[in-house]
Amino acid sequence: AQTVTQSQPEMSVQEAETVTLSCTYDTSESDYYLFWYKQPPSRQMILVIRQEAYKQQNATENRFSVNFQKAAKSFSLKISDSQLGDAAMYFCAYRKIQGAQKLVFGQGTRLTINP
Amino acid sequence: EAGVAQSPRYKIIEKRQSVAFWCNPISGHATLYWYQQILGQGPKLLIQFQNNGVVDDSQLPKDRFSAERLKGVDSTLKIQPAKLEDSAVYLCASSPGLAAYNEQFFGPGTRLTVL
Repeated sequence: AQTVTQSQPEMSVQEAETVTLSCTYDTSESDYYLFWYKQPPSRQMILVIRQEAYKQQNATENRFSVNFQKAAKSFSLKISDSQLGDAAMYFCAYRKIQGAQKLVFGQGTRLTINP
Repeated sequence: EAGVAQSPRYKIIEKRQSVAFWCNPISGHATLYWYQQILGQGPKLLIQFQNNGVVDDSQLPKDRFSAERLKGVDSTLKIQPAKLEDSAVYLCASSPGLAAYNEQFFGPGTRLTVL
């Protein structure tokens, strides 16, 4: 079974600084998707960024980028120029391409932005 | 475009009572998911529908949980009887179809407290 592990329960960063959230996963599949979701206090999960495993190029979305290391099964999220609105729970998630399409989530990292 | 709607937002019940949650997905989305998110954990898939058929209910506690999507649009998740460990946020999500590249859009969730 696929598992996703986030080893940092909490992280904090100064406003305008850069922070990196870690994620590792375990799978025997060669093709899959990886995601970072943001969950603010409103509880609504919002997709931040997505990475296809068959693409070597790391995904970027404005201030958000990932470092995808397929061999190491590592998928970290870098947030540049942190803003107060970035404060939230962040979840790393995995999804197979073949078969069941459910998202498998990690335990989450609570990110605090210090003004 | 309206997002995924869920009701109620909050529910408090005594153990052994029954409760039902409602979800209205984004218009035209064929795939609907129910996730359970226990405090301090990532969401876990309970059941996945494609139109009005069940695709995956392997993690649904079928002795007490049931779900339906009779007309392939709205869905209801029921718990009967509730246990203390059912206290969680229940998230509904929808996507255009089964393909893994389809983004899942989440609703605001229903927070259930079982006393």
